[in-house]
Amino acid sequence: QKEVEQNSGPLSVPEGAIASLNCTYSDRGSQSFFWYRQYSGKSPELIMFIYSNGDKEDGRFTAQLNKASQYVSLLIRDSQPSDSATYLCAVNKGLTGGGNKLTFGTGTQLKVEL
Amino acid sequence: DGGITQSPKYLFRKEGQNVTLSCEQNLNHDAMYWYRQDPGQGLRLIYYSQIVNDFQKGDIAEGYSVSREKKESFPLTVTSAQKNPTAFYLCASSRDRVSNTEAFFGQGTRLTVV
Repeated sequence: QKEVEQNSGPLSVPEGAIASLNCTYSDRGSQSFFWYRQYSGKSPELIMFIYSNGDKEDGRFTAQLNKASQYVSLLIRDSQPSDSATYLCAVNKGLTGGGNKLTFGTGTQLKVEL
Repeated sequence: DGGITQSPKYLFRKEGQNVTLSCEQNLNHDAMYWYRQDPGQGLRLIYYSQIVNDFQKGDIAEGYSVSREKKESFPLTVTSAQKNPTAFYLCASSRDRVSNTEAFFGQGTRLTVV
């Protein structure tokens, strides 16, 4: 079982719709969760992070975390063509003695169609 | 401007050669990371460092070496022992050893074996 799993897609949504991206993780000790967006040939850029169960909203983006189900999701409202990219889920497992180890999923490709 | 600088952007290596990828940050971040990205495989952790003069192997450290002599610098050497080095290499940093801090990426180095 992979530590962080994402559906590779592509996920196609029409412009203006809600895109829902999902991620599951295997380590119950994981402490924080991140969503990165990566355009083709570019480096990942941070969109959102979430630490606590529930929802966290930032503009058109909402991250949802359910630690009991080991599930984190990203909702993108009013999807735009510029949102077309690969979305990477990352999970932080805090290390003994302090520090971070970020593990990434393989990413979900999102296509927003006109 | 604060940020993470990777150089070179593109690098070509002959088989049997060692090459060193540069990563410098002026964010005063304690933790630094090296990831490798292959098509369809997401990001895989090569090495990470939480403080100066200390670093740990990630999931795919074989054929790579690092040093952390200065807080702002974390160079990665791809040795001849790495059998399939062609990939996109990403350096990242995060603020400190406290868990839950987000990581920011440099622009990446694309290494090709010729």
